[in-house]
Amino acid sequence: AQSVSQHNHHVILSEAASLELGCNYSYGGTVNLFWYVQYPGQHLQLLLKYFSGDPLVKGIKGFEAEFIKSKFSFNLRKPSVQWSDTAEYFCAARRGGGNKLTFGTGTQLKVEL
Amino acid sequence: EAGVAQSPRYKIIEKRQSVAFWCNPISGHATLYWYQQILGQGPKLLIQFQNNGVVDDSQLPKDRFSAERLKGVDSTLKIQPAKLEDSAVYLCASSLSMDNSPLHFGNGTRLTVT
Repeated sequence: AQSVSQHNHHVILSEAASLELGCNYSYGGTVNLFWYVQYPGQHLQLLLKYFSGDPLVKGIKGFEAEFIKSKFSFNLRKPSVQWSDTAEYFCAARRGGGNKLTFGTGTQLKVEL
Repeated sequence: EAGVAQSPRYKIIEKRQSVAFWCNPISGHATLYWYQQILGQGPKLLIQFQNNGVVDDSQLPKDRFSAERLKGVDSTLKIQPAKLEDSAVYLCASSLSMDNSPLHFGNGTRLTVT
């Protein structure tokens, strides 16, 4: 079965620290990859997505993710986090040309001042 | 652009009761999704509509869950009868189509079954 794994369930960082959240998927073939963010009390929002082309994808608010096909990974990064980045982050994947989006279990990020 | 609207925001019911959730997608979005998000887990797709037709309902517990999108716009998700394990946030999302369009999520309905 297709699955998405997020290794870190809870991450606590100080402001200005660098962030990397891991995501692995189990699909073979073409895959579409996404990172969504859910700020406290708000709905899920798209941070960035990868369909094809440059494996380094830049999203909103200074986030980026790198698609490494050989490792089936799509890790999320940010060089310097801010307190306002406190949120839950979800990785999601869909088989290329498919319609079913599968989410990981999420990573709760807390950024301390 | 108005977002995906869901109601109610919160619902508390006793087990064996029935409950219904409503979703109004973004105008013009042909594809509508219902997800279930249990505490500590990622959202799980329950059912996907393309206009008023069902595309995928493989993970919908059909003995108790039902959903419809009669006119290809609004949708309702019903649970009858509810079980304790149905306690979750029910998310509605919509997208322009089924291809590479990103999903836009509503705020969800938090259901507590006691």
